[in-house]
Amino acid sequence: GDSVTQMEGPVTLSEEAFLTINCTYTATGYPSLFWYVQYPGEGLQLLLKATKADDKGSNKGFEATYRKETTSFHLEKGSVQVSDSAVYFCALSDLGGSWGKLQFGAGTQVVVTP
Amino acid sequence: EAGVAQSPRYKIIEKRQSVAFWCNPISGHATLYWYQQILGQGPKLLIQFQNNGVVDDSQLPKDRFSAERLKGVDSTLKIQPAKLEDSAVYLCASSLALPGETQYFGPGTRLLVL
Repeated sequence: GDSVTQMEGPVTLSEEAFLTINCTYTATGYPSLFWYVQYPGEGLQLLLKATKADDKGSNKGFEATYRKETTSFHLEKGSVQVSDSAVYFCALSDLGGSWGKLQFGAGTQVVVTP
Repeated sequence: EAGVAQSPRYKIIEKRQSVAFWCNPISGHATLYWYQQILGQGPKLLIQFQNNGVVDDSQLPKDRFSAERLKGVDSTLKIQPAKLEDSAVYLCASSLALPGETQYFGPGTRLLVL
């Protein structure tokens, strides 16, 4: 079945450091890929998405490129801020399977210190 | 535009008791999802509705969990009787009817079963 694997946290960084969170996936069809973010005490919010191979999603300085050859969708940000401290979830939606169902990774906690 | 509303935000019950959660999706969103998020894990889909019909309930423990979406708008998720392992955050999400549309999440209901 479909699955998502992302790097374990917590990831602790200093402000202005470069952030990478690795995400790889397994899917039988051609999934759409997503990054969701969960700030402390809040619900899940869509950060960015990509719907086909080589697409790049971007938002709030974050980027991720849909790499079909390596089945990856790594999240990157060039200079993090304290306000980026949150839990980040990689997810896929395989339209060939369940209609719109999201399959999530376990989440990666990111802690940014001043 | 109002987001997805959920209530209550927190609930503490004894095992073997029953509990119900309510969700009001974004206006015009035909698809509604209930996810279970256990601490330290990514959300897992319990049930998906398209209008008032069930699209996917393969992960719903039907011996104790039930859900309905009367009139294709609000939804209720019930657990009866609750077990200790049901302690989790229950997330409701909604999206437009088309496959692959972005899912918008509510703030969740945090359930603790003692």
